[in-house]
Amino acid sequence: EPEVTQTPSHQVTQMGQEVILRCVPISNHLYFYWYRQILGQKVEFLVSFYNNEISEKSEIFDDQFSVERPDGSNFTLKIRSTKLEDSAMYFCASSENRGLGNEQFFGPGTRLTVL
Amino acid sequence: AQKVTQAQTEISVVEKEDVTLDCVYETRDTTYYLFWYKQPPSGELVFLIRRNSFDEQNEISGRYSWNFQKSTSSFNFTITASQVVDSAVYFCALGGISNFGNEKLTFGTGTRLTIIP
Repeated sequence: EPEVTQTPSHQVTQMGQEVILRCVPISNHLYFYWYRQILGQKVEFLVSFYNNEISEKSEIFDDQFSVERPDGSNFTLKIRSTKLEDSAMYFCASSENRGLGNEQFFGPGTRLTVL
Repeated sequence: AQKVTQAQTEISVVEKEDVTLDCVYETRDTTYYLFWYKQPPSGELVFLIRRNSFDEQNEISGRYSWNFQKSTSSFNFTITASQVVDSAVYFCALGGISNFGNEKLTFGTGTRLTIIP
């Protein structure tokens, strides 16, 4: 069964460093998402992406964040200068279509630890 | 604005007991979807169920059942004959269309369920 994959599973970085989290969505999916879950808290929407551009972003997704689809398979989330509060689990998701009822398939997550 | 409330932060039950996880939602949309996800200790999000706002039929899948009541804006999840493998954090989520036409999931804060052997 097709699945969303994410690498790495765990990333440790120093405050101020740039990190890139990678995701490979399901191959025929066209809509991509990033969510964040700070430890012990709820999962929060960050950004959605379609047709090589951001379709929507939350207030969390500030100028330190960017997303890209550098090739036909990867979907990346870059944090330019990490802060301690960026420590969280980051989930990538993809869906075949957008709109109600289109299930978002989640990847296993990348745990980011900022020291 | 959309909101999902899971008032139970943590629940512990002894194995084989039944347990119900509560979920109350708020939305102005007339059409929306409700979801339950399971997050085991390994951290991934496991999709359990999706219901649309027009289908209030209760659903049963093995030991799992869901009770959707639009009148009280609730979508509760019951596990019967609980097992240790059910120990996880369970999230209720609401899917609605944002101003940009995307389906955006709004999650509740989760309920940590511990099944005691």
